[in-house]
Amino acid sequence: TQLLEQSPQFLSIQEGENLTVYCNSSSVFSSLQWYRQEPGEGPVLLVTVVTGGEVKKLKRLTFQFGDARKDSSLHITAAQPGDTGLYLCAETSGSRLTFGEGTQLTVNP
Amino acid sequence: GAVVSQHPSWVICKSGTSVKIECRSLDFQATTMFWYRQFPKQSLMLMATSNEGSKATYEQGVEKDKFLINHASLTLSTLTVTSAHPEDSSFYICSAGDRGLETQYFGPGTRLLVL
Repeated sequence: TQLLEQSPQFLSIQEGENLTVYCNSSSVFSSLQWYRQEPGEGPVLLVTVVTGGEVKKLKRLTFQFGDARKDSSLHITAAQPGDTGLYLCAETSGSRLTFGEGTQLTVNP
Repeated sequence: GAVVSQHPSWVICKSGTSVKIECRSLDFQATTMFWYRQFPKQSLMLMATSNEGSKATYEQGVEKDKFLINHASLTLSTLTVTSAHPEDSSFYICSAGDRGLETQYFGPGTRLLVL
């Protein structure tokens, strides 16, 4: 089973700051997804990356997939309190999803 | 987008009782549904994969006789926690995949508290 490590585990910042969270694997991802989960709710898919070196943007969120497809990052510009939540990366292998440990982000107003 | 519902959203039960959680795909047919468990401040852990009309596939360490899964139709899967104990208290989340399984759509979760 592939291990997905996310860092940092916890992050508390002020509104307006930028941040980056990371997802690393011991082996090559077939494809990778990023989710955000708010308390008491299921995770919501943000993006899927497939190609090494791929960069995708979703408003203030920028997702990068490493050239070797063993790591990925999520960068948030000018964070807002509404960005608060648990950010999860997940490796997709066929129909299975294996989630990382998650990064709990708190954006303080 | 596709919608997956869960019922109930939260449940409190006494130790030793059984609890059934329903997962429904509301606007698409789900040949495969997945059940996850999430403890506080932790990630989602896959418990089992449920395929319509066949037996579920359980992950290592998950007791199939304790967590009964039934996927009798293309829009409904149920998870029954039998003889629940306080350590079973958790957030249970289901997801449903369409026929291509390119995307899993997650339900809102069910909070279980066993007293």
